[in-house]
Amino acid sequence: SQELEQSPQSLIVQEGKNLTINCTSSKTLYGLYWYKQKYGEGLIFLMMLQKGGEEKSHEKITAKLDEKKQQSSLHITASQPSHAGIYLCGADGGTGTASKLTFGTGTRLQVTL
Amino acid sequence: GAGVSQSPSNKVTEKGKDVELRCDPISGHTALYWYRQSLGQGLEFLIYFQGNSAPDKSGLPSDRFSAERTGGSVSTLTIQRTQQEDSAVYLCASSLAPSRHEKLFFGSGTQLSVL
Repeated sequence: SQELEQSPQSLIVQEGKNLTINCTSSKTLYGLYWYKQKYGEGLIFLMMLQKGGEEKSHEKITAKLDEKKQQSSLHITASQPSHAGIYLCGADGGTGTASKLTFGTGTRLQVTL
Repeated sequence: GAGVSQSPSNKVTEKGKDVELRCDPISGHTALYWYRQSLGQGLEFLIYFQGNSAPDKSGLPSDRFSAERTGGSVSTLTIQRTQQEDSAVYLCASSLAPSRHEKLFFGSGTQLSVL
């Protein structure tokens, strides 16, 4: 079965600093999803990457998919307290559907003032 | 509805009791998913519905767990004879279709605590 390893497991950054979270798959990545979770809330969809080399941005968050490395990275520029939370990557394992996503264990981000 | 709704938001039960967790997906979403999030375990897939049928229930941990979906809408996850290891947050998600091009919308979850 596919496994996703996220690094780092936790991160504390000062407001305004940039940061990167990585997600590495044990198998070929066919579709990679990034979600954010805050305490007591469900997962909020951030971005979906489907093609090798694909890069997407939303506000100050950019995600890239490196198919050859079986890896995706999430980069936050000029972090803000609102970026704090747990970031999860998920992959569909080549089933062709999003019916059964495998998720990483998450990266906990804290942003200090 | 505006989003995926789950109830109850919190459930405390005694070991050995049965519990039912409810999920109301976004109107029109044909695909519905149940995941479990435990401390240190990350998010685990439990079961997926397409309409009222469950093509993939491979993630259900034991025969104490069952789920149904009626009318292509509301789903109920039932855990019989609860055990302490069942304590977790149970998350429901829905999507327009089970295609990888469709994003999943998650509910806020049900925090289950088995004493």
